Amino acid sequence: GENVEQHPSTLSVQEGDSAVIKCTYSDSASNYFPWYKQELGKGPQLIIDIRSNVGEKKDQRIAVTLNKTAKHFSLHITETQPEDSAVYFCAASQGGNQFYFGTGTSLTVIP
Amino acid sequence: NAGVMQNPRHLVRRRGQEARLRCSPMKGHSHVYWYRQLPEEGLKFMVYLQKENIIDESGMPKERFSAEFPKEGPSILRIQQVVRGDSAAYFCASSLRDSSYEQYFGPGTRLTVT
Repeated sequence: GENVEQHPSTLSVQEGDSAVIKCTYSDSASNYFPWYKQELGKGPQLIIDIRSNVGEKKDQRIAVTLNKTAKHFSLHITETQPEDSAVYFCAASQGGNQFYFGTGTSLTVIP
Repeated sequence: NAGVMQNPRHLVRRRGQEARLRCSPMKGHSHVYWYRQLPEEGLKFMVYLQKENIIDESGMPKERFSAEFPKEGPSILRIQQVVRGDSAAYFCASSLRDSSYEQYFGPGTRLTVT
């Protein structure tokens, strides 16, 4: 089955700086890679996703890049704000099927 | 537009009791997924259901756990004879159709077994 690894497990940045979270996957058949933000006591919220036919996608301060050859994808948050503090999860799937999640990155943005 | 609804949000059960967790998918969604999250860990897939059908239960423990998604009403995840190791957050997600990639998650049910 698919195996998704995520790094780092914790990340602290100063407000205004950028944050980068990286994930690798093992199954070359995976073709959909969402990122979720989970705040304390809440369910995961989809923040951005990318499909395997695209190398990069951007939505305001958030961007995701995908390298199919190397089987890794990354989340980039620019101009971080305190409200970006949360746990971020990457996932991989073959679409319409179960998601395989990474172990999460706890991001703290220091004001 | 109501999102995925789960209830109860918190559930406390004694060892040996039964736990029933409910999930109402987003309006128009007919595919439901259940995931379990242990403390400090990521989400682990349990089961994927469509109306009246279990599509993939490869992540479900072989005993004590069952799931259903009836023609009418919410999806139910049922845990019989709970043990302390069942304490976790259980999340339900829904998607529009089987070719739809996006899954939208509910707020979760936090089960505590005492």
